[in-house]
Amino acid sequence: NAGVTQTPKFQVLKTGQSMTLQCAQDMNHNSMYWYRQDPGMGLRLIYYSASEGTTDKGEVPNGYNVSRLNKREFSLRLESAAPSQTSVYFCASSKDRGWAGELFFGEGSRLTVL
Amino acid sequence: SQQGEEDPQALSIQEGENATMNCSYKTSINNLQWYRQNSGRGLVHLILIRSNEREKHSGRLRVTLDTSKKSSSLLITASRAADTASYFCATENKADMYSGGGADGLTFGKGTHLIIQP
Repeated sequence: NAGVTQTPKFQVLKTGQSMTLQCAQDMNHNSMYWYRQDPGMGLRLIYYSASEGTTDKGEVPNGYNVSRLNKREFSLRLESAAPSQTSVYFCASSKDRGWAGELFFGEGSRLTVL
Repeated sequence: SQQGEEDPQALSIQEGENATMNCSYKTSINNLQWYRQNSGRGLVHLILIRSNEREKHSGRLRVTLDTSKKSSSLLITASRAADTASYFCATENKADMYSGGGADGLTFGKGTHLIIQP
């Protein structure tokens, strides 16, 4: 099984450019999440989707938008990239709505904004 | 907001020794989870302990939870070179069960970087 797949794995942007990070899971999970990981900061939740058709803000949503395209796919969009958005982005999914269970993570997307 | 804080930030031990890392948190939780992250990879779930449990085992892993002290520990016995990784605790905060998962949700600590010397 592929699990959680993220694309692209690496991306370099200039300030002000836009891009979309794609995420897909093949485990028939209901909930999906986007986290960012910065050195010394651990993981911080950007947005999550408890079920198909719903999205909610996490701890650090500013500068991002998300789309739950269908049950499998959850994308993260940066409309106007800033250097502060240089980070490693992780998509994750879990079986049930809510948090009482295991998260399955993708391999990460490493974004550099110049 | 940071809920879990791991201690130590870094730990280096010899292969075969036991490794212990700790996690402290601030608010009441429903459960606490531990994850491992190998360099350049995604996080992998190791073990989940619920707030009404005190100890849980999985292979060479032993997790304890002390809700009165708001702390948890992860013990890896008979360490191997392949255990070299960063380890994170993550808490599901009590309030989120009723809010359906709010901004805090599953909150991760900053991690302990474990190095196993061969």
